[in-house]
Amino acid sequence: GAGVSQTPSNKVTEKGKYVELRCDPISGHTALYWYRQSLGQGPEFLIYFQGTGAADDSGLPNDRFFAVRPEGSVSTLKIQRTERGDSAVYLCASSQSTGNTEAFFGQGTRLTVV
Amino acid sequence: AQSVTQPDIHITVSEGASLELRCNYSYGATPYLFWYVQSPGQGLQLLLKYFSGDTLVQGIKGFEAEFKRSQSSFNLRKPSVHWSDAAEYFCAVGADGWGKLQFGAGTQVVVTP
Repeated sequence: GAGVSQTPSNKVTEKGKYVELRCDPISGHTALYWYRQSLGQGPEFLIYFQGTGAADDSGLPNDRFFAVRPEGSVSTLKIQRTERGDSAVYLCASSQSTGNTEAFFGQGTRLTVV
Repeated sequence: AQSVTQPDIHITVSEGASLELRCNYSYGATPYLFWYVQSPGQGLQLLLKYFSGDTLVQGIKGFEAEFKRSQSSFNLRKPSVHWSDAAEYFCAVGADGWGKLQFGAGTQVVVTP
């Protein structure tokens, strides 16, 4: 597709379970970003990748959150031992590089922890 | 630490009337500034950005914003709103372009007939 694709669009999981959220960036985009948007709030930065490496993971809230991008394209955000407070929309964006190139956002994955 | 404040949580405007959304930021240097729009079920869409140069920037859908360094503001304006402008609007600031943006809490815009 032409845009950033995130799967699944919705995910309901039980407290304590492990979840994976997938992001397919726009082809050729080397930079990839993850944000989390809680209800009634603006998006909150989690992590961004330049290629395969995490350039800045300072926004990850704790060690239950982890993200990978092994081949420099698709990225997976992994959440262990989910808590109800993890419920949010997780947004992914990509850009040709960091700096002065526009980042395009996907429609997000709505995660609900029950 | 950088921060972004959108003082208005909710704004109601009549179709055809003008719209102004406020954004104030706190940052040590000249930041990169952005306005995004989010419609229900849609992803974030960039309306406009300011990196440097002319402080009045034009964006898509008839929006413009003015960077005022002395007031630490980057307010968004549209002269005449359309019903399709009903959405949530986010101001954001970045240190180095699009890497690691900080967003405001958003302003919900309702357009009445």
